[in-house]
Amino acid sequence: GAGVSQSPSNKVTEKGKDVELRCDPISGHTALYWYRQSLGQGLEFLIYFQGNSAPDKSGLPSDRFSAERTGGSVSTLTIQRTQQEDSAVYLCASSLVLEYNEQFFGPGTRLTVL
Amino acid sequence: AQKVTQAQTEISVVEKEDVTLDCVYETRDTTYYLFWYKQPPSGELVFLIRRNSFDEQNEISGRYSWNFQKSTSSFNFTITASQVVDSAVYFCALSPFGNYGQNFVFGPGTRLSVLP
Repeated sequence: GAGVSQSPSNKVTEKGKDVELRCDPISGHTALYWYRQSLGQGLEFLIYFQGNSAPDKSGLPSDRFSAERTGGSVSTLTIQRTQQEDSAVYLCASSLVLEYNEQFFGPGTRLTVL
Repeated sequence: AQKVTQAQTEISVVEKEDVTLDCVYETRDTTYYLFWYKQPPSGELVFLIRRNSFDEQNEISGRYSWNFQKSTSSFNFTITASQVVDSAVYFCALSPFGNYGQNFVFGPGTRLSVLP
């Protein structure tokens, strides 16, 4: 289909390991967003990209988190030295342009840190 | 500081009833966006609506309608003639106008169960 895809769908890792989460936005969408949904914490906005640029990284929970986007398309969210509190569902969304007009969400990546 | 309150944790209605989900927000910004999202049992978030703070017109989309009252800082969502497929968790959110970063805040969500 032509929707937003995320991989892997599930990731189980050991505490201290690095993980990479991938998001493929809808083709032609210039804006891309990452969110996190934790049990008991609700929904949390992490970062957005306009093209390949992420102007504001202050929403990332710690310096162990980083994100990049290349070619105005695929984005990778990397978590270094994972901690148990990083366990959550990581959601990606894209929209045709920035300004949140009709964001389309992917199915999410469920991350479990043991 | 920004805050979104959804006081109703869970609501249950019988199919065909109307239901209103409350959202109250706090912000010091004079211009901002308000949003509603739906998360059905499948888990995939669905964007429903975005409103600008300078546009207080109510909006209707099929069985959905939104009532934005700046005077009471509320952005309530009404589903008319509810259906079982409306069962989901609904999130209200707030963002400053032109700033899509840290200050994007979600409410805790309201779980709506529509019973047949």
